[in-house]
Amino acid sequence: DVKVTQSSRYLVKRTGEKVFLECVQDMDHENMFWYRQDPGLGLRLIYFSYDVKMKEKGDIPEGYSVSREKKERFSLILESASTNQTSMYLCASRMPGYTGELFFGEGSRLTVL
Amino acid sequence: GIQVEQSPPDLILQEGANSTLRCNFSDSVNNLQWFHQNPWGQLINLFYIPSGTKQNGRLSATTVATERYSLLYISSSQTTDSGVYFCAVERDSNDYKLSFGAGTTVTVRA
Repeated sequence: DVKVTQSSRYLVKRTGEKVFLECVQDMDHENMFWYRQDPGLGLRLIYFSYDVKMKEKGDIPEGYSVSREKKERFSLILESASTNQTSMYLCASRMPGYTGELFFGEGSRLTVL
Repeated sequence: GIQVEQSPPDLILQEGANSTLRCNFSDSVNNLQWFHQNPWGQLINLFYIPSGTKQNGRLSATTVATERYSLLYISSSQTTDSGVYFCAVERDSNDYKLSFGAGTTVTVRA
């Protein structure tokens, strides 16, 4: 079965803390994505990676960075968390090409106090 | 970027009812997918449908690419159909970005 696993379902952090969100996929997919989901706004793309060590900014990259050292793992980093980064974070992966079906992890709900 | 509009934003159904969800997009696309997000947050791919019609059980989808819209049909709705339905589109193979609509929240009452 296809599997995208996010390291934490729920996190509570304080303003200014560094936050790591990890995502691992077991499908040998080349493309991986980080989205955030907020009520009424749908899913917005933060960063994506089309291959190992490659990364591209999405629509809302400010305040975030990413790391892709291995094909199966894509990490999202909040260098200094702020309250406006309280959100649901969703990781996804797919094979390359626009016909690729997107597979999502279960999501990580981050609260920044 | 490409704009994706979904309607209606909210839908309340009685169990057994049929419904239609709509997705309009602002440019030609090579990829269109429908997703269902269950109440626990998990997003599941329902259809990959850049054009034409597909059916999967009680769900079916139609995309009219030339008119830039897609429809998702739910027939004989069940409480397990509750959740948020998202439409996502991608313009071309070099885009790497699926753009999502804001979703339609469906509540099916027993």
